[in-house]
Amino acid sequence: DAGVTQSPTHLIKTRGQQVTLRCSPKSGHDTVSWYQQALGQGPQFIFQYYEEEERQRGNFPDRFSGHQFPNYSSELNVNALLLGDSALYLCASSLVQNGYTFGSGTRLTVV
Amino acid sequence: QKEVEQNSGPLSVPEGAIASLNCTYSDRGSQSFFWYRQYSGKSPELIMSIYSNGDKEDGRFTAQLNKASQYVSLLIRDSQPSDSATYLCAVKEGSQGNLIFGKGTKLSVKP
Repeated sequence: DAGVTQSPTHLIKTRGQQVTLRCSPKSGHDTVSWYQQALGQGPQFIFQYYEEEERQRGNFPDRFSGHQFPNYSSELNVNALLLGDSALYLCASSLVQNGYTFGSGTRLTVV
Repeated sequence: QKEVEQNSGPLSVPEGAIASLNCTYSDRGSQSFFWYRQYSGKSPELIMSIYSNGDKEDGRFTAQLNKASQYVSLLIRDSQPSDSATYLCAVKEGSQGNLIFGKGTKLSVKP
């Protein structure tokens, strides 16, 4: 049973560029959440997708957008990258009341 | 602003001792609580979930919840060097909400 898979694992981008990160949830999970984790900090909630709709959103600017596909996989898009967007981006999938299962993350470096 | 507070540590304990990790949360209506372990450079791994007041044991781990005091703790018995990691406390917003994380407590178990 595959867990949560994320791609790519590492990415280096230049300020002002755009990036797309991808996530496939654990089999049977229908909810996907995205988190940003800066060095030395806990994960910060970006948004959550359920039934292809954004159900909740954290305190992130509109430069951060997402999408969920009919097969429950999801994408996170970040436009106009800033140096401060450098972080580990985590995707987590879940079923309603359960805890979240995290993918291995995408390490984004903006230079 | 819903918050989850943890002592950032580092918490250092000798091998074989009990490690005690603590967490407080601000939202009195929270019902679901989780402890994640995160090794350096890796993604968070769910180790315990707790929903009711009292203790929940799983192997060497015991989670304790006191909703009246808005307090969650994690005890690790017979600590091993392999337990050295950052431990993240997370609280779920509502029944379908996102997880709010603390900044994590770094645990170091000395041989």
